[in-house]
Amino acid sequence: QSVLTQPPSVSGAPGQRVTMSCTGSSSNIGAGYDVHWYQQLPGTAPKLLIYGNINRPSGVPDRFSGSKSGTSASLAITGLQAEDEADYYCQSYDSSLSAYVFGTGTKVTVL
Amino acid sequence: EVQLLESGGGFVQPGGSLRLSCAASGFTFTTYAMSWVRQAPGKGLEWVSAIRAFDSSTSYADSVKGRFTISRDNFKNTLYLQMNSLRAEDTAVYYCAKDDGDSVYLFDYWGQGSLVTVSS
Repeated sequence: QSVLTQPPSVSGAPGQRVTMSCTGSSSNIGAGYDVHWYQQLPGTAPKLLIYGNINRPSGVPDRFSGSKSGTSASLAITGLQAEDEADYYCQSYDSSLSAYVFGTGTKVTVL
Repeated sequence: EVQLLESGGGFVQPGGSLRLSCAASGFTFTTYAMSWVRQAPGKGLEWVSAIRAFDSSTSYADSVKGRFTISRDNFKNTLYLQMNSLRAEDTAVYYCAKDDGDSVYLFDYWGQGSLVTVSS
């Protein structure tokens, strides 16, 4: 049972902007732990997309951006491209569970 | 270049055991925490276990506590996961993941995964 809640799916046409939320609680995101985002293309391992709430690793396009506020975080993709079709997971740490926690995952579909 | 190469997956009957290995290269293994993360077929990601670099202290998800044991060999640059008393619900692809520090709680590199199937 995931501690972080994400919408199951979001979709958009090429070029559009889509966003997805990651809702936690006072023992994880709300406690000040950073939120990280991973992209998982079909049949492949997850890849780090955003770290420390807002930072992009080298090589990640600036179309991807992250934000955090209170007990939630968000990932936005602007200028949606066909290659962005993937599953996206948020991740943080939960002090009550003493565990790394993942979101439920959001499937992005490019129409 | 950081590389994480898992091995040891396969088919096992309920109640059986299996040991996964993850050979690491391209970074100073002794200074980073490491984790195992799994993904059941068609499901999301689930953190399984972590081991720190500093003192090799370990932590586990409740779902595997008492059945799985994580360890590391800093001379061989290898991470292990000993899985005992396996259940059908342990069926998943198991990924080895590198922390961005010693318990920074961030996975900056992942292996390609090793499939474990528990079935009679």
